[in-house]
Amino acid sequence: ETGVTQTPRHLVMGMTNKKSLKCEQHLGHNAMYWYKQSAKKPLELMFVYSLEERVENNSVPSRFSPECPNSSHLFLHLHTLQPEDSALYLCASSPGQASGNTIYFGEGSWLTVV
Amino acid sequence: AQSVTQLGSHVSVSEGALVLLRCNYSSSVPPYLFWYVQYPNQGLQLLLKYTSAATLVKGINGFEAEFKKSETSFHLTKPSAHMSDAAEYFCAVSDQGGSEKLVFGKGTKLTVNP
Repeated sequence: ETGVTQTPRHLVMGMTNKKSLKCEQHLGHNAMYWYKQSAKKPLELMFVYSLEERVENNSVPSRFSPECPNSSHLFLHLHTLQPEDSALYLCASSPGQASGNTIYFGEGSWLTVV
Repeated sequence: AQSVTQLGSHVSVSEGALVLLRCNYSSSVPPYLFWYVQYPNQGLQLLLKYTSAATLVKGINGFEAEFKKSETSFHLTKPSAHMSDAAEYFCAVSDQGGSEKLVFGKGTKLTVNP
């Protein structure tokens, strides 16, 4: 139990569907992150939120839309995805955005796009 | 910009043997260095991190890593492998003094044979 909870753990969606991934952290952290983990690729940082404000968007396609309503919750809204978007999506949090802070990961949401 | 190279995408050892997972980094400023472990179907968990205090860092589960500036390395070791150590291991780097993002290596999958 890392203090970062992701739901659902598994999701299968068609290319025309709209779905959302949810993340909640119980650590009192100020920064939250979405990462994408694909086979044989390094972890890709997608979005960073600090104190509910988006501070980084790493050229992620607009079919991925993050939302951070408060410092404990982070969503990733998905629409019109492609099969190559199938991956493990990891949510994470850290006390702040400073570089020495440990990042705590959730267990991930496995997404399959059919 | 920082980067991380993990030599060997797969490492196989016998139970009780030494574990050595290699990580070399590139950074123009003093780095923070991390090792994370990912067990099957789980998120990433911090094993240990170097933050410019002692160069030999001890982590959880008997792992340790040594920061060697002259070799730009931060190799992960464990004297005696257990079956439960089978997992994927990720080295990561960020720079001190800034808010640079954490850059991950591609990972090394460790197999432990009975």
